[in-house]
Formats: sequence, C-alpha cells, structure tokens
Amino acid sequence: QKEVEQDPGPLSVPEGAIVSLNCTYSNSAFQYFMWYRQYSRKGPELLMYTYSSGNKEDGRFTAQVDKSSKYISLFIRDSQPSDSATYLCAVGGSNYKLTFGKGTLLTVNP
Amino acid sequence: NAGVTQTPKFQVLKTGQSMTLQCAQDMNHNSMYWYRQDPGMGLRLIYYSASEGTTDKGEVPNGYNVSRLNKREFSLRLESAAPSQTSVYFCATKTSGGTDTQYFGPGTRLTVL
Repeated sequence: QKEVEQDPGPLSVPEGAIVSLNCTYSNSAFQYFMWYRQYSRKGPELLMYTYSSGNKEDGRFTAQVDKSSKYISLFIRDSQPSDSATYLCAVGGSNYKLTFGKGTLLTVNP
Repeated sequence: NAGVTQTPKFQVLKTGQSMTLQCAQDMNHNSMYWYRQDPGMGLRLIYYSASEGTTDKGEVPNGYNVSRLNKREFSLRLESAAPSQTSVYFCATKTSGGTDTQYFGPGTRLTVL
C-alpha cells in the first residue's frame, strides 16, 4: 500500500463550482498535512498547512483532516480559472521528510 | 530575496554524459532536498540534507550523488546520465523546527537522449 494515495483526476469543473480534492494516508505517525499548488511548468507552492484534525480555512480554501480515518481534503469554493493547476497533498512526520501524493490536475472552465 | 534558485533551467544530455544541477537558497534554511517529478509518479525524493555537513538517501538515489557545499548550496550530480533520468528536478528547503513546510525552486527540465 502506498503511503499516500491521491486520485490523479483529471478534474474539470465550471467556474464558481465547489471543488473537493482528497487524499488518504496509511501511517498514523504522520503529524503534518499540507496542500501544494503547482502551475504548469512551475515549482510547487505551499497552499495550506495543518497539523491537527478539523478544518482550517484561508479565503476560498479549506483544508480538512480526519486523523481517525487517515483522510485529508481540500475544498475550493467559488472556483476560478486561475485555480487551474495540479494540487498535491503532502504528509510529514518528524524525520525531515515529506511524502507527496501524485497530484490531481484541476481545470476550471470559464 | 530570490528564495530558492536552480540552474540550469533546461538541459539536454547524451547518454553517458555527466552534469551537475545547482541549487542555492537565501532563506537561511537548514534542510535541503532534491526531488524528481515524472508523469504519473508524483514527486520522489532523491537525496536530502537535514543540515550542513550531512546528506542522506531518499526514495530513488541510484545514479545520483549530492554535495552540501555550505548552508546555502546543495548540488545534484549525474555521473553517467541515462534516458531513465529524463525528468524535472526540483530543489526544496525547510527550516529546522517549526512547521514541516518545504519551499521549492522553479525546477530543471532534463532530457537524456
């Protein structure tokens, strides 16, 4: 079993839709949970970071972690064409390393 | 501040040639990482350096060597390039303590013919 599983999509939605992106992880030792956004031909950039179960909101973005189910989600409200990118989930423990999902390609159509 | 910079941006090599990818950061971070990103495979860790003077293997180290030259610079060397090393290479940095977030450079696109 992979340490982090992420549906690669692709996912195509109309502008204004609510987007839900999800990952599952297998190791309960993971303590940190992140979402990165990667535009085409660019490096990943940190979007959201959390270390506890529950929700964390930042503008149109909400990160949700359920440690009991080993499930992490990213919700995008009122999606915009500028949100079109690949979204990578990442989990980390205490060993300096992150484990990344394979990424979900999102396209928001005007 | 430039953040994390990588050189070169693009490179084409022939099988068997060698090259060094350079990474530099001005964020005063202790930890530095090299990843490769391939379609359908996601980001895979090649090597990392938790602090100046230390390096450790990641998930896919075969065919690569690294040097942590100083706190700012971390280079990745391909001694004898193979077509399987065609990929996009990213360098990342992380501060010690605090959060585990990593900050990425813009990447180097490498093609090995």
